[in-house]
Amino acid sequence: SQQGEEDPQALSIQEGENATMNCSYKTSINNLQWYRQNSGRGLVHLILIRSNEREKHSGRLRVTLDTSKKSSSLLITASRAADTASYFCATARFSGGGADGLTFGKGTHLIIQP
Amino acid sequence: DTGVSQDPRHKITKRGQNVTFRCDPISEHNRLYWYRQTLGQGPEFLTYFQNEAQLEKSRLLSDRFSAERPKGSFSTLEIQRTEQGDSAMYLCASSLVAVETQYFGPGTRLLVL
Repeated sequence: SQQGEEDPQALSIQEGENATMNCSYKTSINNLQWYRQNSGRGLVHLILIRSNEREKHSGRLRVTLDTSKKSSSLLITASRAADTASYFCATARFSGGGADGLTFGKGTHLIIQP
Repeated sequence: DTGVSQDPRHKITKRGQNVTFRCDPISEHNRLYWYRQTLGQGPEFLTYFQNEAQLEKSRLLSDRFSAERPKGSFSTLEIQRTEQGDSAMYLCASSLVAVETQYFGPGTRLLVL
């Protein structure tokens, strides 16, 4: 079953603008990860934030985590056409991503208009 | 290419036929995962292996599905008596024990007619 929802389901912005996607989840977690998927292809890991962290940066990506609200956000700054993809949050209940694997949301489809 | 590979990339079959997919993980990774993804949805966990041991199976993995990882290297996922509802992308991922990042293969897209 899906862990939660990404919001919005679809987002279209102009190149250079910032894109923000939100993710909500239902159960307690060990960590939350964001993945990108280009059309019809496999997923690429972007960033991981642990349950005891509140914010993390990686290049143009910024992730926040609010465990009290069971929510996370992904901010992509200075978007580029190549950022066009679907973005998924995924939660792991246990360290090492073991039992039960990762639980993914339904994703946000991001379109960057040139 | 030292990433996760999957074969075949596409498979079209008729309802009732058996199909088998193969996944080759990153060579030093001892964990291997199978997920299924339908159109417009996120991946759903099916099962995972640590070395050759299958440690967890989702309730999505019906009796028609079986996965193996002999010798702890490549893995196969077999679907017997395919149904139209089995049409999906089947994704394989691998990781190191106690490292949370999973590396995904390109997937096998199955269409059951």
